[in-house]
Amino acid sequence: SYVLTQPPSVSVAPGQTARITCGENNIGSKSVHWYQQKPGQAPVLVVYHDSDRPSGIPERFSGSNSGKAATLTISRVEAGDEADYYCQVWDTSSDRLNWVFGGGTKLTVL
Amino acid sequence: EVQLVESGGGLVQPGRSLRLSCAASGFTFDGYAMHWVRQAPGKGLEWVSSISWNGDDKAYADSVKGRFTISRDNAKNSLYLQMNSLRAEDTALFYCAKGGGRAVAGGRDWFDPWGQGTQVTVSS
Repeated sequence: SYVLTQPPSVSVAPGQTARITCGENNIGSKSVHWYQQKPGQAPVLVVYHDSDRPSGIPERFSGSNSGKAATLTISRVEAGDEADYYCQVWDTSSDRLNWVFGGGTKLTVL
Repeated sequence: EVQLVESGGGLVQPGRSLRLSCAASGFTFDGYAMHWVRQAPGKGLEWVSSISWNGDDKAYADSVKGRFTISRDNAKNSLYLQMNSLRAEDTALFYCAKGGGRAVAGGRDWFDPWGQGTQVTVSS
């Protein structure tokens, strides 16, 4: 089955740039969505279709997708960005069609 | 404002059944696919099931296929998840989410927004 690999944790100081990767072979051919989940809250969409941003999401959040990894980039990180982040794709690589989430990355703001 | 409110969770014994509901408001319900996603305690997100705008297309995770059934009632703006033969490993917070378009996947297929979830605990 399709597996999306994310680093378990990323740490960054306030004001710096955080990059969270989501890797799998041929992910560049797929459309990737990203979600932010703060403790005790439901997930929130922050990037869709690799690099598009929903209304209300700060421009500091951006995404890219090429080759073997998609990347969520958070510029000028703030304390309020501390959360778990998940990538998501629709897997058509096997005979089963299903949505797949990455394992999640905990972003810690130092 | 789009609102999704899940209900129907609770404590249930292994092997028993439970039916979750998701009441939708603030958008044209029959214009969008809908999804169920769960999260076990301290774990990540796991997709469970999806249904197209008119109910014709459904998809299930392998872990629930044959045990869970997704359905919707567009007249009642409601999404359902019938869960049979429940197992301890089904213990999780279950979220419903609105799709970005009509189809289960393809095109406008992101999940947004999500409800606050309903807790399902399977234990004897």
